[in-house]
Amino acid sequence: DAKTTQPTSMDCAEGRAANLPCNHSTISGNEYVYWYRQIHSQGPQYIIHGLKNNETNEMASLIITEDRKSSTLILPHATLRDTAVYYCIVRDYRGGSNYKLTFGKGTLLTVNP
Amino acid sequence: DTAVSQTPKYLVTQMGNDKSIKCEQNLGHDTMYWYKQDSKKFLKIMFSYNNKELIINETVPNRFSPKSPDKAHLNLHINSLELGDSAVYFCASSRGTLTDTQYFGPGTRLTVL
Repeated sequence: DAKTTQPTSMDCAEGRAANLPCNHSTISGNEYVYWYRQIHSQGPQYIIHGLKNNETNEMASLIITEDRKSSTLILPHATLRDTAVYYCIVRDYRGGSNYKLTFGKGTLLTVNP
Repeated sequence: DTAVSQTPKYLVTQMGNDKSIKCEQNLGHDTMYWYKQDSKKFLKIMFSYNNKELIINETVPNRFSPKSPDKAHLNLHINSLELGDSAVYFCASSRGTLTDTQYFGPGTRLTVL
């Protein structure tokens, strides 16, 4: 699986957009970009995923560059409850059952009042 | 309704003991997982079961034995507990094993004294 690089930490003001970058320069054509987050003392929570096109759901937007070497997770209006570690994961679709998520260190996003 | 539940939430035990952690999901998913998050916060997959069949077994000591009595349950039994087993253990489930997202339980904090 391709590796990802994320900033260790970021700050964001409450009510503003939070833009979390992720580099995955070795991504291959079959690999999806997934974003999860982990709020303190809780289990990881799925946010969004994409392959080539930009994606949006009720939680966030995912912008993937045309060359797919990087992506940005956007939380449009960050709240204090969005303070968490955000993980960008590149996941291989292997066409079988041998699949797993490999979590890195993630980005600690702190939303400030 | 809790989608993925784990019991117990906290487990404190002595070295050398045998303990079990239970996991249940009511999502009707076919695949379940066990992850370990150590003190450095790295989250690593340990096992994965699909329709009660073991499909992923990472480099985990034989002292760890998962058991899946049915699709909705994946229990983790640990023999001869060691200090290094202290961690938070997360159970997760997904509908399948391909591009399906994973839903995590709240975690079980295991402390070995």
